[in-house]
Amino acid sequence: DVKVTQSSRYLVKRTGEKVFLECVQDMDHENMFWYRQDPGLGLRLIYFSYDVKMKEKGDIPEGYSVSREKKERFSLILESASTNQTSMYLCASRIPTSGNHEQYFGPGTRLTVT
Amino acid sequence: LAKTTQPISMDSYEGQEVNITCSHNNIATNDYITWYQQFPSQGPRFIIQGYKTKVTNEVASLFIPADRKSSTLSLPRVSLSDTAVYYCLVGDITGGSYIPTFGRGTSLIVHP
Repeated sequence: DVKVTQSSRYLVKRTGEKVFLECVQDMDHENMFWYRQDPGLGLRLIYFSYDVKMKEKGDIPEGYSVSREKKERFSLILESASTNQTSMYLCASRIPTSGNHEQYFGPGTRLTVT
Repeated sequence: LAKTTQPISMDSYEGQEVNITCSHNNIATNDYITWYQQFPSQGPRFIIQGYKTKVTNEVASLFIPADRKSSTLSLPRVSLSDTAVYYCLVGDITGGSYIPTFGRGTSLIVHP
């Protein structure tokens, strides 16, 4: 079974703190993604990575950065957390194989910034 | 990127068949259609994907007309556990250039 794990299920941080959200996948997938999900807005793409050391901005990258030093790990960084970054954060991975669009998601991290 | 339109919500009852239609008028030639299911407090889970005509697996069926401008996810004999949000995505993964866009999805509520 493909497994995508996220470092925390619940996280509470204070405004201005630097926050690291870690995601690890165990299936040697090239592509990895970070989304945030808010009520009524669905999933919105923050950043994605085609492969190691590669990153591309998604729809809402402002206030976030990412790091992909190893293939299995994709980190989302909030340089200075703000209350409007309180959200559910979801990580996903996939193999970019033609005809197969399946993404595998982690359980999510519910981040609260106070 | 092809944009998709789905109903925001649907209601059904246990044992009924549920059909959720997704519109994607500007779907490209190489685009596939993919559906995901998401339960509260969990990440989305892949259900089914297709390119044309009909695809069936143990969970659902996907119907795609010849013009491919829409698709219908069919859930046979739903149960309370099928209450979830369902997302329709369209794109082409070739070369790793496909950026999956989830949108707001369709919230399905199954009643006893």
